[in-house]
Amino acid sequence: DIQMTQSPSSLSASVGDRVTITCRASQGIDYYLNWYQQKPGKAPNLLIYAASHLQSGVPPRFSGSGSGTDFTLTISSLQPEDFATYYCLQSYSTPLTFGGGTRVEIK
Amino acid sequence: EVQLVESGGGLVQPGGSLRLSCVASGFTFSNNWMSWVRQAPGKGLEWVANIKQDGSEKNFLDSVKGRFTISRDNAKNSLYLQMNSLRVEDTAVYYCARQWSHDAFDIWGQGTMVTVSS
Repeated sequence: DIQMTQSPSSLSASVGDRVTITCRASQGIDYYLNWYQQKPGKAPNLLIYAASHLQSGVPPRFSGSGSGTDFTLTISSLQPEDFATYYCLQSYSTPLTFGGGTRVEIK
Repeated sequence: EVQLVESGGGLVQPGGSLRLSCVASGFTFSNNWMSWVRQAPGKGLEWVANIKQDGSEKNFLDSVKGRFTISRDNAKNSLYLQMNSLRVEDTAVYYCARQWSHDAFDIWGQGTMVTVSS
């Protein structure tokens, strides 16, 4: 099974800050890496698919990069509605596996 | 409107069974792999199972193999998860999700809560 190590597990940031979250796969997954945002009591929302492709309707302040084993989600200027938990998901092989999540909190 | 709506959750005793359903609308259900994903209270996301468009291929998380079955009825735009021999650790919100480009989950249901407790 492919293990996804996501870091940090939590961070505090201010509105306007640049935020970076990373995911590392235990083996190469090409670019089969997706990023999700989840708010309390809600289903996850797809932000980035195939490592760097912005999902329709997602603000361009969100971006993704990486391939192989190391991936990054960047929020260029944090907005109040961005405080949430973020997860990566590898869709390269089953069992599909998520990272442990990153909780983004208000500083 | 493109949406997935789950139902069938509830409270069940350890060793019991439940059948979850997910009805799709607004897209051609038979075109996509479909998955079930769960989230235990206060925990992260965990993929559970998926099924190919025609039902000919199915994959499962190791911890549910032999206990859970996934199926679909494309004529009814419906996905199912039959859960047998339920354990306390199966307690979670269960989401159905559409697999899309590069198998990303682009559409999710609202979730249905399954509680396994005596």
